[in-house]
Amino acid sequence: DIVLTQSPATLSVTPGESVSLSCRASQGISTSIHWYQQKSNESPRLLIKYASQSISGIPSRFSGSGSGTDFTLSINRVESEDFSVYYCQQSYSLPYTFGAGTKLELK
Amino acid sequence: QVQLKESGPGLVQPSQTLSLTCTVSGLSLTSNSVSWIRQPPGKGLEWMGVIWSNGGTDYNSAIKSRLSISRDTSKSQVFLKMNSLQTEDTAMYFCARLPGYNFDYWGQGVMVTVSS
Repeated sequence: DIVLTQSPATLSVTPGESVSLSCRASQGISTSIHWYQQKSNESPRLLIKYASQSISGIPSRFSGSGSGTDFTLSINRVESEDFSVYYCQQSYSLPYTFGAGTKLELK
Repeated sequence: QVQLKESGPGLVQPSQTLSLTCTVSGLSLTSNSVSWIRQPPGKGLEWMGVIWSNGGTDYNSAIKSRLSISRDTSKSQVFLKMNSLQTEDTAMYFCARLPGYNFDYWGQGVMVTVSS
């Protein structure tokens, strides 16, 4: 199975800061990575697909990059509604797997 | 609009079988694939399996021997059955649409507790 390692586990920031969240795959997966946001007691929400493709309705401050084994989710100027947990997911091969998540918290 | 909603018992006894239903609206199961994903309290997401639009299935090998996913297209329902439940199966269970290889619409989830 492909293992996704997300770092850091927790990121403490103040609103207005720009941040980068990392997801590293245990083998090359091209751009078969997708990012989700999960707020407390809610279902996950798809933010970015195929490493960098935007999703309709998602604010433009969210962007993604990377290919192969290293991927990044960037949030330009964090807003208060962005404090939540972020997961990456690979679709390169079955079983689909998720990273353990990065919690973005208020500093 | 696309909606998915999970339903099932909130409490299951150890060693028993879990049966969940995902009722969808705004989409056809003959042209959409649906996955089950679970999340233990305070932990991350685990993909369980998928029923493809053609009716074929794939399962996570870690639980494959205990899991079955099926559907009734006429009722727009997808079913999950998992046997030999243990306390570590306590989790929120989600169904989600898989339009390509990501999950774009999710249900609200149903919490299942395994306890005697």
